[in-house]
Amino acid sequence: AQSVTQLDSHVSVSEGTPVLLRCNYSSSYSPSLFWYVQHPNKGLQLLLKYTSAATLVKGINGFEAEFKKSETSFHLTKPSAHMSDAAEYFCVVSDLGNTDKLIFGTGTRLQVFP
Amino acid sequence: NAGVMQNPRHLVRRRGQEARLRCSPMKGHSHVYWYRQLPEEGLKFMVYLQKENIIDESGMPKERFSAEFPKEGPSILRIQQVVRGDSAAYFCASSSTGGEAGELFFGEGSRLTVL
Repeated sequence: AQSVTQLDSHVSVSEGTPVLLRCNYSSSYSPSLFWYVQHPNKGLQLLLKYTSAATLVKGINGFEAEFKKSETSFHLTKPSAHMSDAAEYFCVVSDLGNTDKLIFGTGTRLQVFP
Repeated sequence: NAGVMQNPRHLVRRRGQEARLRCSPMKGHSHVYWYRQLPEEGLKFMVYLQKENIIDESGMPKERFSAEFPKEGPSILRIQQVVRGDSAAYFCASSSTGGEAGELFFGEGSRLTVL
């Protein structure tokens, strides 16, 4: 069965410093992996996705994630945090080609201090 | 091009009442998904529908919950005889094809509070 574990429920950074949100996955098959962002009282927006192409995936708003099979990880990074990045971030796994059950992690709340 | 539209955005019900949540997918999308988000948790898959068909309802509670996506009109998630544990945010997502993983577009959610 597929699952994702987000290792930190809260991350706090100062504006202009790097962001690292950690995610480990478990999958019996070659996984598709995603990061979604949820701003307060808003819907979810897809940041980026990995579907067995390049292992380094670039997303919107300067975010990127690297798929590391040996470590079963898909950590999300950004070189320099902006105040507008404060939100909840979800790491998500899906069977390749089977979109009906996206499996969400429990989320990481990112706070950005001025 | 309007995104996924959900209404109502907020709904308050007393225990035992019925809740109806509506979702209009993006234009041209024929695949609809419902997810539930309990406080401080991630989203949990409930049901996947295409027009007039339920494709996968493995995440739906066995009782009181039902979903439909009629030929005309929005998809409806119906909760009968609500209980306090049903209080959650319910998100609808749509896609143009069911096969390409991850290309889901989410609405802003309907937040149900059961008193």
